Amino acid sequence: GAGVSQSPSNKVTEKGKDVELRCDPISGHTALYWYRQSLGQGLEFLIYFQGNSAPDKSGLPSDRFSAERTGGSVSTLTIQRTQQEDSAVYLCASRFRGSNTEAFFGQGTRLTVV
Amino acid sequence: AQTVTQSQPEMSVQEAETVTLSCTYDTSESDYYLFWYKQPPSRQMILVIRQEAYKQQNATENRFSVNFQKAAKSFSLKISDSQLGDAAMYFCAYRSRTGANSKLTFGKGITLSVRP
Repeated sequence: GAGVSQSPSNKVTEKGKDVELRCDPISGHTALYWYRQSLGQGLEFLIYFQGNSAPDKSGLPSDRFSAERTGGSVSTLTIQRTQQEDSAVYLCASRFRGSNTEAFFGQGTRLTVV
Repeated sequence: AQTVTQSQPEMSVQEAETVTLSCTYDTSESDYYLFWYKQPPSRQMILVIRQEAYKQQNATENRFSVNFQKAAKSFSLKISDSQLGDAAMYFCAYRSRTGANSKLTFGKGITLSVRP
């Protein structure tokens, strides 16, 4: 596709359930980021994938959060045993290799935990 | 660690007027990028303008320009001839030019409203 695609656009889940959020980056982009945007807050870094290197997971808030990137393309962010404080917009971005390239964002997934 | 601060949560501007959004950052690095992103209600982050720290000249993109003060670690965005479509949240962001993790570090954003 032409841009970064995220699905679903909106997700409502019950507390305690697991959810999976998907990100399709721009074709050829080697770097992929996940961010979380809580209401009225800035973007909080979660995880970063770059090519075949080990991902930087330093931003994941707890061990309930995990992410993988298969074949260097599609990424899935999984939240286990969701809590109400997980409610937020989850944004994905991708970037081509090179220090001077810009990151392109998807439209995000709005997660609501009830 | 780098931090980005946007101290104004909201601003308002009259259509066709000029508005300046403030941003300060903290870093020990000398080589980095600074960005302003726009986030309309659609949620999609759109890059407005980018500044390389090694360039002294302030970046300009049509009605958008920056005032980059490296010594003061200040990076403000000026929007000239404001339009209704400029209403959105604006985020200032920092990215290192070197290092393995070139994540973007964001400020908390500012909500800009444009009065007709």
